[in-house]
Amino acid sequence: GAVVSQHPSRVICKSGTSVKIECRSLDFQATTMFWYRQFPKQSLMLMATSNEGSKATYEQGVEKDKFLINHASLTLSTLTVTSAHPEDSSFYICSANTGGVTDTQYFGPGTRLTVL
Amino acid sequence: GQNIDQPTEMTATEGAIVQINCTYQTSGFNGLFWYQQHAGEAPTFLSYNVLDGLEEKGRFSSFLSRSKGYSYLLLKELQMKDSASYLCAVFYNTDKLIFGTGTRLQVFP
Repeated sequence: GAVVSQHPSRVICKSGTSVKIECRSLDFQATTMFWYRQFPKQSLMLMATSNEGSKATYEQGVEKDKFLINHASLTLSTLTVTSAHPEDSSFYICSANTGGVTDTQYFGPGTRLTVL
Repeated sequence: GQNIDQPTEMTATEGAIVQINCTYQTSGFNGLFWYQQHAGEAPTFLSYNVLDGLEEKGRFSSFLSRSKGYSYLLLKELQMKDSASYLCAVFYNTDKLIFGTGTRLQVFP
């Protein structure tokens, strides 16, 4: 149980285009999902907390107009990188909270974004 | 902000024991996780500590001291496949998980 999927796993796009990444909890309902970004050889940096049916909460320094988050249902959250630039190239990972006693977060497989 | 510190890199020999330390700020602490991450993959859950003491899971054990803001992950009988990054993550306040810098462990034959 507690499987989280992401799509696509890898995307290459041109500078100035927008890219949408989907995160799904496959066998549980997730009222809260999290979006992280990881640059090479660095740890995960929390970008935003996505709550079903309400606006996402962004971490300091993360542009909410550039990284649009929509938590449309209890099993789906999307991250759209708008007008992507080469510096947005990174590994984007989502996670979902099972809501159990330990509140363990389970991570999706990640999306490798390369902006040319 | 909440600083979570780990050593950047460690090396060890197959079959040995290695301890990876993690220190964190205690304000708002709600639990500590250890994750394993292989290159290019998402983190996988290893352990969770919320009370002081040692939690053992097979070859992996994790220890927590809340008063000292300190945890360690102990890996026994090291195998080559244990070469990975080990991430310490602290659960603060409600449901915000903050990750440490990660420790890259290289296991040699």
